[in-house]
Amino acid sequence: GQQLNQSPQSMFIQEGEDVSMNCTSSSIFNTWLWYKQDPGEGPVLLIALYKAGELTSNGRLTAQFGITRKDSFLNISASIPSDVGIYFCAGQAPSAGGTSYGKLTFGQGTILTVHP
Amino acid sequence: DADVTQTPRNRITKTGKRIMLECSQTKGHDRMYWYRQDPGLGLRLIYYSFDVKDINKGEISDGYSVSRQAQAKFSLSLESAIPNQTALYFCATSDYSTDTQYFGPGTRLTVL
Repeated sequence: GQQLNQSPQSMFIQEGEDVSMNCTSSSIFNTWLWYKQDPGEGPVLLIALYKAGELTSNGRLTAQFGITRKDSFLNISASIPSDVGIYFCAGQAPSAGGTSYGKLTFGQGTILTVHP
Repeated sequence: DADVTQTPRNRITKTGKRIMLECSQTKGHDRMYWYRQDPGLGLRLIYYSFDVKDINKGEISDGYSVSRQAQAKFSLSLESAIPNQTALYFCATSDYSTDTQYFGPGTRLTVL
């Protein structure tokens, strides 16, 4: 099945620093999504990417859909304490006989800690 | 009110017991999903349903069953719970036209 490798697994940064994390896959995806999970909560969608090469921003967050369709990155600029949480990438593979459409594959997550 | 709700939020049970986790949504989405989250493993798909008459196994369906009672309701059952099913369980929904999934707050299940 599909697998996503997300890195780094964890990051410890000072408030104000920029953050970068990425996901790579051995196969192509049609869609890349980035989610954030706060403690005790479900993942919340941050950014959705639907086209190779697409670069999308949401406030201090910027994400890109890699040209090869096998990778994506998320950048957070000028981090603040509330950025703490687990960030997940997720990808949706091209439909294969109609069975994979709608199903997402998730990365293992990046745990972000921001020191004030 | 939350668009995707899960009950219970926390549950402790014993090995061998039957457990049902429930999910309801007010988003009007056709598609619903059940995931399991374990530390360091991300979210893994247990079952998914694209409409009321459609049920599909995900990557880790063994030991689980589901029921899609209505468009808005999708329940997950553990027929005979075992300790390695201790995990955080999430329900999610999506519209047929996009791949964007919206998650519930999760149920923390502990099997002793």
